[in-house]
Amino acid sequence: QVQLLESGGGVVHPGRSLRLSCKGSGFNFSRYSLHWVRQTPTNGLEWVAVISYDGKNDFYAASVRGRFSISRDNSKHTMYLQMDSLRLEDTAVYYCARGAVEATGGEPNDYWGQGTLVTVSS
Amino acid sequence: IVMTQSPDSLALSLGERATINCKSSQSVFHSPTSKSYLAWYQQKPGQPPKLLISWASNRESGVPDRFSGSGSGTDFTLTISSLQAEDVAVYYCQQYYSSLHSFGQGTRLEIK
Repeated sequence: QVQLLESGGGVVHPGRSLRLSCKGSGFNFSRYSLHWVRQTPTNGLEWVAVISYDGKNDFYAASVRGRFSISRDNSKHTMYLQMDSLRLEDTAVYYCARGAVEATGGEPNDYWGQGTLVTVSS
Repeated sequence: IVMTQSPDSLALSLGERATINCKSSQSVFHSPTSKSYLAWYQQKPGQPPKLLISWASNRESGVPDRFSGSGSGTDFTLTISSLQAEDVAVYYCQQYYSSLHSFGQGTRLEIK
């Protein structure tokens, strides 16, 4: 069965960095785009970033553009989110989610991981 | 694309009809495919979102038929025909027309 497993969350000071990972299994990992979506108690779901199936294209929400970087290693069935210059408002549960087949966008997110909590605190 | 849901919360009795609305700031209808790029998700406490409906009205496999989606262009509706206790959750709409997906703020559905 399709599974996505996030890891790498934790507590970090403002201005520091953190890298999240998302490992996929049970599907042809290299054929699917992958997304990061975060959730705060007050702000609901916020789409963060997407990377195409082949890693050649990526897009970011305005709130993280220039600070976060999405990447993937299809040989390891793993996607990453490098988060730099973290701010208090980046505190959230970060989910990875599966997207479109052999495209960057144009399909909903049919499978989601359980999420990993990132807390930015001084 | 900004997605706006209404209402923010809803409290109904078991068996009642629930209606949740979602409006997009621009059309999410894709003419070449004749599809609206709009999805609905259900999220229960402590769980990730679950995809209920895609393409505005296509119910995902295993989703009870009391859930239905309708609408096109910029205005969409999620309807639960007869509310069950297990439907208590937060519901989100999402547009995937743009590469920068976006979600509505969510509608909390409770039992009265």
